[in-house]
Amino acid sequence: IQMTQSPSSLAASIGDRVSITCRANQTIGIYLNWYQQKPGQAPNLLIYAASSLQSGVPSRFSGSGSGARFTLTINSLQPEDLATYSCQQGYRRPWTFGQGTKVEIK
Amino acid sequence: QVYLEESGGGVVQPGRSLRLSCEASGFTFTTSGMHWVRQAPGKGLEWVAVISHDGDNKFYGDSVKGRFTISRDNSKNTLYLQMNSVRAEDTAVYYCARNKDGYNFFDYWGQGTLVTVSS
Repeated sequence: IQMTQSPSSLAASIGDRVSITCRANQTIGIYLNWYQQKPGQAPNLLIYAASSLQSGVPSRFSGSGSGARFTLTINSLQPEDLATYSCQQGYRRPWTFGQGTKVEIK
Repeated sequence: QVYLEESGGGVVQPGRSLRLSCEASGFTFTTSGMHWVRQAPGKGLEWVAVISHDGDNKFYGDSVKGRFTISRDNSKNTLYLQMNSVRAEDTAVYYCARNKDGYNFFDYWGQGTLVTVSS
């Protein structure tokens, strides 16, 4: 299953609302997960099952969607949100990731 | 808390072998499926392999099938990745990650170990 994210990168100001889209080339139900990877660090789970917030993740992060189109939203972007965000489908092996969206601060 | 620590990375010549290890602590290792995920320099994440909690079931990505072997020693709380016949395209940071019970995602990750395939 191929996962495609858009945009590949974006720059936004502190306090902005940011949205990242992830599309699958077939329906995957809600088997979609989001990860944040800060520079030089391992990925960190943000959202699972399309919209469930992982424990300890700030509430400004949210996920939505089902089927083949999903969205990660960051409400009120913070300096520490500088990172690359990747989606991952858990519908069928092999588990596949999107290519990542790099979020930069203006 | 959950802690995963990879080791065994380094520089290896094409065609040679390398074994990675991942030592786990802070959770019941014997009840958790475990994965290896890799990331080539400047590239996205690629799932490599998964092993069930008891080691009975193993699955691989197409790019490593027949060359890499995932295994575990539950008495040592350790996950392994045996990498044989390595290629330049295997150059990456290799992460071990825990599978969330009942789901198909990675809820905890190690910090990764770098494997460089070069002559």
